[in-house]
Amino acid sequence: QKEVEQNSGPLSVPEGAIASLNCTYSDRVSQSFFWYRQYSGKSPELIMSIYSNGDKEDGRFTAQLNKASQYVSLLIRDSQPSDSATYLCAVQGGKLIFGQGTELSVKP
Amino acid sequence: DAMVIQNPRYQVTQFGKPVTLSCSQTLNHNVMYWYQQKSSQAPKLLFHYYDKDFNNEADTPDNFQSRRPNTSFCFLDIRSPGLGDAAMYLCATSAEEDYEQYFGPGTRLTVT
Repeated sequence: QKEVEQNSGPLSVPEGAIASLNCTYSDRVSQSFFWYRQYSGKSPELIMSIYSNGDKEDGRFTAQLNKASQYVSLLIRDSQPSDSATYLCAVQGGKLIFGQGTELSVKP
Repeated sequence: DAMVIQNPRYQVTQFGKPVTLSCSQTLNHNVMYWYQQKSSQAPKLLFHYYDKDFNNEADTPDNFQSRRPNTSFCFLDIRSPGLGDAAMYLCATSAEEDYEQYFGPGTRLTVT
């Protein structure tokens, strides 16, 4: 059974802080990794994709991948209240396998 | 703008009354997916089409069917909705299998 694990949260950070979201996966052959943001009652929105070990930066978002440790993370710098959402980690393993999501709350 | 469109956004149906949800895309993607998402759960893949090739997940109930009459459109038919089928139904597309998936806004289904 291929699994993707995330801390459910809620993760609460003050405005302007760095939010760190973590994800581990069980399938060693996975090659593609994604982070989706989902606001309450809305559909998932793709915010980051990463395919090779290391860091990938896009604006305030940085995705980090370590295939040896089967670990992928998302850092959100200068967190804003509008970043408050559930963040879904997804791993491509034949099909897209989602974690349960981490709820992030950014307090003004 | 290229996008994934789902209609209706909200659907109320009665127990046992067939319902059809629709999805269209202007991205010209080869692959279209249907997911079911219940509150506080991860999206669950029901099936997907690669072009006209249909791929059903092993645990998708027979009550759920799908049609893809052309590249742009895909439909989800629920033949006899039960109370347990109340959920958000998400359509997604990707250019190829294993590529990034883009979701439509979803249809919130209520079963009374």
